[in-house]
Amino acid sequence: NAGVTQTPKFQVLKTGQSMTLQCAQDMNHNSMYWYRQDPGMGLRLIYYSASEGTTDKGEVPNGYNVSRLNKREFSLRLESAAPSQTSVYFCASSGRQLAPEQYFGPGTRLTVT
Amino acid sequence: AQSVAQPEDQVNVAEGNPLTVKCTYSVSGNPYLFWYVQYPNRGLQFLLKYITGDNLVKGSYGFEAEFNKSQTSFHLKKPSALVSDSALYFCAVRDIGDDKIIFGKGTRLHILP
Repeated sequence: NAGVTQTPKFQVLKTGQSMTLQCAQDMNHNSMYWYRQDPGMGLRLIYYSASEGTTDKGEVPNGYNVSRLNKREFSLRLESAAPSQTSVYFCASSGRQLAPEQYFGPGTRLTVT
Repeated sequence: AQSVAQPEDQVNVAEGNPLTVKCTYSVSGNPYLFWYVQYPNRGLQFLLKYITGDNLVKGSYGFEAEFNKSQTSFHLKKPSALVSDSALYFCAVRDIGDDKIIFGKGTRLHILP
């Protein structure tokens, strides 16, 4: 039982390059999330998915796209990276009703130069 | 839309003293409330949650939190702080019936030996 896994752990991009961050969970959770963490800003929600086939914008969706590939996997894509997207990205998943708490992956540290 | 405020960027407490980390929230309906802890270069770990029922909830590592509906607060507490409690603490809120989970900016807790 690996929980939530993310790849890659580290990435350096040049401005304008694209990349996809991968996330998978093995807890049979319906909901999945992408956050970014910046110093002094806490965690800000980028996108979330309440169930397979649905996605919704969070607080800071501009410059990102997501795909809920199946129940296990939720990817985050940067089509044209900008230095402002330098951050640590976390994926999380959660259940519902009596167990709505999130479980987080280890994070991806992204630097855009 | 839901929101969370953690009014203190940093809290310093002497080892052995009680600690409190403050959190206030805003939701349109009834809340699910959470506390998470983050150690350096790690993902977030779930500490405790309030769903319904008793206003005082107990969680991991001896932490507890008190839900106060009239003050819209969910402060994290521990009777006797340990140096190993030093970390970044996040409060989060989810509106019942919604899958979006919003985090506060975090409070850095320093336990002084």
